[in-house]
Amino acid sequence: RKEVEQDPGPFNVPEGATVAFNCTYSNSASQSFFWYRQDCRKEPKLLMSVYSSGNEDGRFTAQLNRASQYISLLIRDSKLSDSATYLCVVNFWGGGGADGLTFGKGTHLIIQP
Amino acid sequence: GAVVSQHPSRVICKSGTSVKIECRSLDFQATTMFWYRQFPKQSLMLMATSNEGSKATYEQGVEKDKFLINHASLTLSTLTVTSAHPEDSSFYICSARGFSSYEQYFGPGTRLTVT
Repeated sequence: RKEVEQDPGPFNVPEGATVAFNCTYSNSASQSFFWYRQDCRKEPKLLMSVYSSGNEDGRFTAQLNRASQYISLLIRDSKLSDSATYLCVVNFWGGGGADGLTFGKGTHLIIQP
Repeated sequence: GAVVSQHPSRVICKSGTSVKIECRSLDFQATTMFWYRQFPKQSLMLMATSNEGSKATYEQGVEKDKFLINHASLTLSTLTVTSAHPEDSSFYICSARGFSSYEQYFGPGTRLTVT
């Protein structure tokens, strides 16, 4: 069974603070990992892919730990505009072709002024 | 680049009628399109995967005769909700993936309300 688990929050964080989310996945054959951002009543938008070596994009840093089957997202110097739901997403590349993405339920982040 | 559109963005229909939702990749060819459904406060759930020119693959628990998917070209997939019922009311989102890519690009979604 393919599952992705996240703490739903909400995380209430003051503006300028650093916040981190973790996510665990159950399928050890998972191949690709992503963080998506979803604003209320909108479609998900890709925030960043997560590579084995970790990757950084401005204030955002993503890490992957395959041995423990978790990925993380770190947001530094948080902005009010960072308030959203962050979706941990895993792709399992099956033998007959790729499956769709498996989404966590999301972690709700609220940045407070 | 990588823009996906959906039409309509919002639809209200009566119970028993059918509704067609279109998903288009505007600036790339989508070998695979995916249809998701999201109920309030829930995660997106994959309904089906469609490859251009072949039958869609449905996830367990999704009725293929109720949710008809057609992927006739590399830029268009349609989802038809047949004999809609109030419990089908949801946010339907498509995504598209091009050649040799893991990333999926999402359409803006269609909010379906069945009365």
